[in-house]
Amino acid sequence: KNEVEQSPQNLTAQEGEFITINCSYSVGISALHWLQQHPGGGIVSLFMLSSGKKKHGRLIATINIQEKHSSLHITASHPRDSAVYICAVLANAGGTSYGKLTFGQGTILTVHP
Amino acid sequence: KAGVTQTPRYLIKTRGQQVTLSCSPISGHRSVSWYQQTPGQGLQFLFEYFSETQRNKGNFPGRFSGRQFSNSRSEMNVSTLELGDSALYLCASSTGGTQYFGPGTRLLVL
Repeated sequence: KNEVEQSPQNLTAQEGEFITINCSYSVGISALHWLQQHPGGGIVSLFMLSSGKKKHGRLIATINIQEKHSSLHITASHPRDSAVYICAVLANAGGTSYGKLTFGQGTILTVHP
Repeated sequence: KAGVTQTPRYLIKTRGQQVTLSCSPISGHRSVSWYQQTPGQGLQFLFEYFSETQRNKGNFPGRFSGRQFSNSRSEMNVSTLELGDSALYLCASSTGGTQYFGPGTRLLVL
């Protein structure tokens, strides 16, 4: 079983819909990242979370440390949101994890006009 | 500030050759991490450097190596290339928090 599991693997939505992508992990973490990757490969870091909730524009990320679960929400989705969304965790390994991210398999989001 | 840059962006090599990829981090960032992305395995951590020292290493064979220079620029080297090394190689720099990714180097091994 992977240390980081995302669901769903594929998601299709109509423009304007509310979208949720889930991430579950099995290790203790010091931080969780949500990343966005567009065709062509470039990765953008959307959020880094260690607790609670963060919001940026139409994007909201939440994390529940006790349940080892995080969600990424997109409100009023738009075709330009179409991308792969990747959850990645920085394991809490007594200070030795540093820049070592462990990634989920990604969620392919397609938003139709 | 300029973002993370990687050179070259595309590379074609043949089996058995070796390759060196370069990453220039955001000014002031001392940590550089390297990742490999393939369709089958997804994104995997290669190694991380901080102040010219390798702090962490992923589960890759010894053919994969790296280094960091005093100006924080980093290089990774892959020797004796195999077909399975075809991938997108990404580097990311940070100051300990959010990682900022470069555009990647797409390597094709024939």
